[in-house]
Amino acid sequence: ETGVTQSPTHLIKTRGQQVTLRCSSQSGHNTVSWYQQALGQGPQFIFQYYREEENGRGNFPPRFSGLQFPNYSSELNVNALELDDSALYLCASSLGSTSGSYEQYFGPGTRLTVT
Amino acid sequence: QKEVEQDPGPLSVPEGAIVSLNCTYSNSAFQYFMWYRQYSRKGPELLMYTYSSGNKEDGRFTAQVDKSSKYISLFIRDSQPSDSATYLCAMGKAAGNKLTFGGGTRVLVKP
Repeated sequence: ETGVTQSPTHLIKTRGQQVTLRCSSQSGHNTVSWYQQALGQGPQFIFQYYREEENGRGNFPPRFSGLQFPNYSSELNVNALELDDSALYLCASSLGSTSGSYEQYFGPGTRLTVT
Repeated sequence: QKEVEQDPGPLSVPEGAIVSLNCTYSNSAFQYFMWYRQYSRKGPELLMYTYSSGNKEDGRFTAQVDKSSKYISLFIRDSQPSDSATYLCAMGKAAGNKLTFGGGTRVLVKP
């Protein structure tokens, strides 16, 4: 059984640019959630995808968007990058609400720096 | 006021001591509770989860949930230097839904 993987590990972008982060969910998991973790803070929920549909969104602007593919892997896209977008972006996979399971397993994260 | 409050620490203990961590929360809709361990610049690792009130033990770790007081705890017995990390509490309102995290407590176990 493979765990959650994310790419790239690190990324440096300039303000105003766009970025795409990728996540492969744990084998057998159909739900992917994305979180943003600023330095010294706890992760903040961005959105969740369940079977290719958005299934909940946190307090993030529309320039944060996502996709989930038929193999349950996922992308997080951020447009018009701002300095405050600098953070560790975490992807978590789970079995989904219909399973009655609530454990979420995190990947290693992508560290994004916006200059 | 944040939904989940957690003392940021740092909490420094000698090797072998019991580490006691806790979180308070304001939303009574939270149904399940988790503790994660996060090493510097790594992703959070799930340590413990509990559903509703009660205690759960797993090796050196014990998690407690008191829903009436909106208070959860994690105890680490026989602490080791390798336990030095940031510990995050997290909670959710429905199975598989979003997690709301505390800010994390930094723990340092000194040899």
